[in-house]
Amino acid sequence: QQQVKQSPQSLIVQKGGIPIINCAYENTAFDYFPWYQQFPGKGPALLIAIRPDVSEKKEGRFTISFNKSAKQFSLHIMDSQPGDSATYFCAASSYGGSQGNLIFGKGTKLSVKP
Amino acid sequence: DAGVTQSPTHLIKTRGQHVTLRCSPISGHKSVSWYQQVLGQGPQFIFQYYEKEERGRGNFPDRFSARQFPNYSSELNVNALLLGDSALYLCASSNHRGANTIYFGEGSWLTVV
Repeated sequence: QQQVKQSPQSLIVQKGGIPIINCAYENTAFDYFPWYQQFPGKGPALLIAIRPDVSEKKEGRFTISFNKSAKQFSLHIMDSQPGDSATYFCAASSYGGSQGNLIFGKGTKLSVKP
Repeated sequence: DAGVTQSPTHLIKTRGQHVTLRCSPISGHKSVSWYQQVLGQGPQFIFQYYEKEERGRGNFPDRFSARQFPNYSSELNVNALLLGDSALYLCASSNHRGANTIYFGEGSWLTVV
């Protein structure tokens, strides 16, 4: 059973565009939602994370929007650049739980065209 | 400061063999987790160790085992390798018991032939 559903599977935008990646979760116990960026042959790198007590968080060109009632969250990349071309994963976990494991979405492959 | 380091980076094994993967967490981090990432999928949780004790286990068979040493480094062992075990094995470290602010290593690519 997939607990975090991510869409779209792939995304192509022009340089300067604003790609949006969406995730939906089922488990209401989740209270920590990070996004990871992964380049080919590399491990995932933590980009930005949010907790459900806020509806939006910005770090540089990356913004997370969070809708607790809809159990959805999304990543927006402002002024996207070709160097942002990578696979992006959303994830979720129960911070207050006894286990420190992340549940990942299946990933979105982003391609930013020059 | 060094990040999460893993070894080996690539290895090829034959079905039925055993493999040991190693991980050194970020200095000061006491929690180590292992994830399996099959090509085209997101990472899947295998184990978490915190303060040298197993704190969580994912839905993986008993062929998978792990341990954490007094210096907080960790080993992942997989016995009786199957073709389906071919994947990128990621180690992650954190200075918390929970899942916040987890940093991943570059991974160990395992190919089973």
